[in-house]
Amino acid sequence: EPEVTQTPSHQVTQMGQEVILRCVPISNHLYFYWYRQILGQKVEFLVSFYNNEISEKSEIFDDQFSVERPDGSNFTLKIRSTKLEDSAMYFCACSRAFEYEQYFGPGTRLTVT
Amino acid sequence: AQSVAQPEDQVNVAEGNPLTVKCTYSVSGNPYLFWYVQYPNRGLQFLLKYITGDNLVKGSYGFEAEFNKSQTSFHLKKPSALVSDSALYFCAVRDNDYKLSFGAGTTVTVRA
Repeated sequence: EPEVTQTPSHQVTQMGQEVILRCVPISNHLYFYWYRQILGQKVEFLVSFYNNEISEKSEIFDDQFSVERPDGSNFTLKIRSTKLEDSAMYFCACSRAFEYEQYFGPGTRLTVT
Repeated sequence: AQSVAQPEDQVNVAEGNPLTVKCTYSVSGNPYLFWYVQYPNRGLQFLLKYITGDNLVKGSYGFEAEFNKSQTSFHLKKPSALVSDSALYFCAVRDNDYKLSFGAGTTVTVRA
């Protein structure tokens, strides 16, 4: 069964540094998403991406965040200047179509020190 | 705005007994409802969904859920729980937009 993969599984970075989290979605899926889960809190929506543009974003997804699908297979989340409060588990997800279920990757644990 | 409530942080059942995990939701339009399960150090795995049609939906691993519009509920059920069902369960809802809104999660422990 096809799976969503994410790299790295754990990233440690210093405050103010840029990080790029990578995801390889399921190959025939057209909609892509990033979510995050701060330890002990709910899973929160960050952004959705379709047809090479952002279709929806939350208030969390400010100018420090960006997403890209650089080569037709990878889907990346960039945080330009990390803050301590960006420490969380970041999940990539994808779906075949708008009304279909979203499939999640295993997550990248980001630790900002 | 859409939201989900999972009123129980933890559910404990004996193996072989029925398992119910509760979920209520709030949306402005017609709901798309989902259940996901998370095992330690793993991502969220899709279990089942309700979009339209029959109020009782069946999913993976013998789970089912019943959509109740009047009570705005979507409780997850399994007739006979297994020890391997011990995990963290999330209910999620979508309105007519892209984002999933998740509940806080319910930890299920099935004792042998």
